[in-house]
Amino acid sequence: ETGVTQTPRHLVMGMTNKKSLKCEQHLGHNAMYWYKQSAKKPLELMFVYSLEERVENNSVPSRFSPECPNSSHLFLHLHTLQPEDSALYLCASSQDWSRELFFGEGSRLTVL
Amino acid sequence: KNEVEQSPQNLTAQEGEFITINCSYSVGISALHWLQQHPGGGIVSLFMLSSGKKKHGRLIATINIQEKHSSLHITASHPRDSAVYICAARRVTSYDKVIFGPGTSLSVIP
Repeated sequence: ETGVTQTPRHLVMGMTNKKSLKCEQHLGHNAMYWYKQSAKKPLELMFVYSLEERVENNSVPSRFSPECPNSSHLFLHLHTLQPEDSALYLCASSQDWSRELFFGEGSRLTVL
Repeated sequence: KNEVEQSPQNLTAQEGEFITINCSYSVGISALHWLQQHPGGGIVSLFMLSSGKKKHGRLIATINIQEKHSSLHITASHPRDSAVYICAARRVTSYDKVIFGPGTSLSVIP
């Protein structure tokens, strides 16, 4: 138990579906992150939120839409995804930029 | 060329062996992370270091800032150490962006 919880752990969706990934951290951290891990590739930073304000959008397609309603919750809204978006999506949190990252277990997404 | 590289890419060891995984980076950093990812996908932070050496149980991490190189050592390896080990460089930017290496897949055989 790392204090960062992601749901769902597995998700299968069609290209026309709309779904959301949820991340919740119980550590009192002030920064939260979405990462994408595709097969055989390093983790890629997607979005960073600091104090609920987005500070990084790493050239991510608009079919991925993040939301951070408060410092404990982070969502990734998914719509009209492509099969190449199938990957493991990992949420992480930290206290300030320079501190250790705490990761969730990940949400494995399959787009049919 | 990736900004963070790791070697070897894959490693198989016998239980009890001493293991070394290497990481080299080409950017200015404020800190370097070593992470462990198990087959289920979850990632655990092992170390964050900016100089010298850190030890936790059977794990030792070292960093040489001048040579831009870090190593992760596992002493008396055990099958439960089988995982992917990821090196990540915390880049010096306005918000300390982290760049991940490709990972080293370790398998420890009984």
